[in-house]
Parts: sequence; C-alpha cells; structure tokens
Amino acid sequence: DAGVTQSPTHLIKTRGQQVTLRCSPKSGHDTVSWYQQALGQGPQFIFQYYEEEERQRGNFPDRFSGHQFPNYSSELNVNALLLGDSALYLCASSLLNYFSYNEQFFGPGTRLTVL
Amino acid sequence: SQQGEEDPQALSIQEGENATMNCSYKTSINNLQWYRQNSGRGLVHLILIRSNEREKHSGRLRVTLDTSKKSSSLLITASRAADTASYFCATMNFGNEKLTFGTGTRLTIIP
Repeated sequence: DAGVTQSPTHLIKTRGQQVTLRCSPKSGHDTVSWYQQALGQGPQFIFQYYEEEERQRGNFPDRFSGHQFPNYSSELNVNALLLGDSALYLCASSLLNYFSYNEQFFGPGTRLTVL
Repeated sequence: SQQGEEDPQALSIQEGENATMNCSYKTSINNLQWYRQNSGRGLVHLILIRSNEREKHSGRLRVTLDTSKKSSSLLITASRAADTASYFCATMNFGNEKLTFGTGTRLTIIP
C-alpha cells in the first residue's frame, strides 16, 4: 500500500515564475492538506481540499492556489514566486471524519528553491 | 503563525538515556499530536492524545497532556541512535482539521 507521494522531489525556480507541485494521497484517503515549512521552522498550514473544494485556508496570499481531482490527488500552484517562498512543501492526506479527527499522513515533501 | 513552542530547542543525550521534550500551546484544543522529522524530509506521526486524555503510551514513547497548563511532554525511553531527528508537537482545534505546529526540538543521540 503506497503512502503519500509527492513530485517533484526538488525544484529550482527564479523570482516571478510559477510552480506546480503534485500530491497523491494514501489509498483510501479523501482529504489533502498542504503545508509550507521554512528552514528551521515548523510546518505552516496552507489549505485543505475535500471533494474537490477548498475546505479551509491558512494565512497565505492568493498567489497560493490548489486543486483536487476526482481521484483525490491534488496540486499546489504558486504564482509570482518570491525568494521567501523557498521552503519544503509538505502534503498530508487523511480520511474525513466528522465525529473524530483522524491522523494525517505526510509525504516526503518537495524542496522548492527560488533564486 | 505557530501555535506553540517546544522546549528545549535542541537536546543531546547519550544512547540509552531518556529524552524529554515539552510543548506549550495557546488555545483550547481537540487533540495534540507528536511528529518526527528526519533531515528535513517528511513527517512521521508518532502519537495522538485527545483533550480528555492525560497520558498515553506507545512502545518507548510516553506522552502527557495538561490542558489546564496548555502543555504536553514527550518522553522517549532507552534512546537509540535512530531516534536522532527533529520532533514537533502539533495541535488540532475543535471545528477544523488543520494542524498547527510548534517550532520543534532537535534531538541528537550520541552513540
């Protein structure tokens, strides 16, 4: 059973460019969350997708957008890249449960470097 | 913004010793979770403790939660070199499923 997978592993972009990161959730999971982790910091919540819609959003600008596909996989898009967007981007999947909060399983992350 | 802080920021101990890390948070929570991260890669879930629980065990891990003090501790007994990693606490509030992470404790086990 494959866990959460992310692609690419590493990515180098220049300021002003756009980037798309991809995530496939763990089998049986229907919810995908994205986190940004700057060097030396804890991860920060970007947004969460469920049933192809953005369910929750953290304090990130509109340059950060996402999408969830019918097979539950997800993309994170960042436009007009800034140097400060350099970070490890983590995807987490879970099974939505309205009565109990479930564990989130994390992927290995995509390391984005903006030059 | 970070919900809480881990203490200490860094910890070095000899293999075989016990390691204790503390986490403080700011708001009421539904649950608190501990994660391990090796070398800036993905997070591995260690244990979840709900707000109505006070203590939980999993193998060599023991977690306590004091909601009156808004704090938690993670104890790793009989440490091993493979336990070298960064450890994060993360809280989940009522009404949503986003995790709010602390700043992490960097644990180094000296063989």
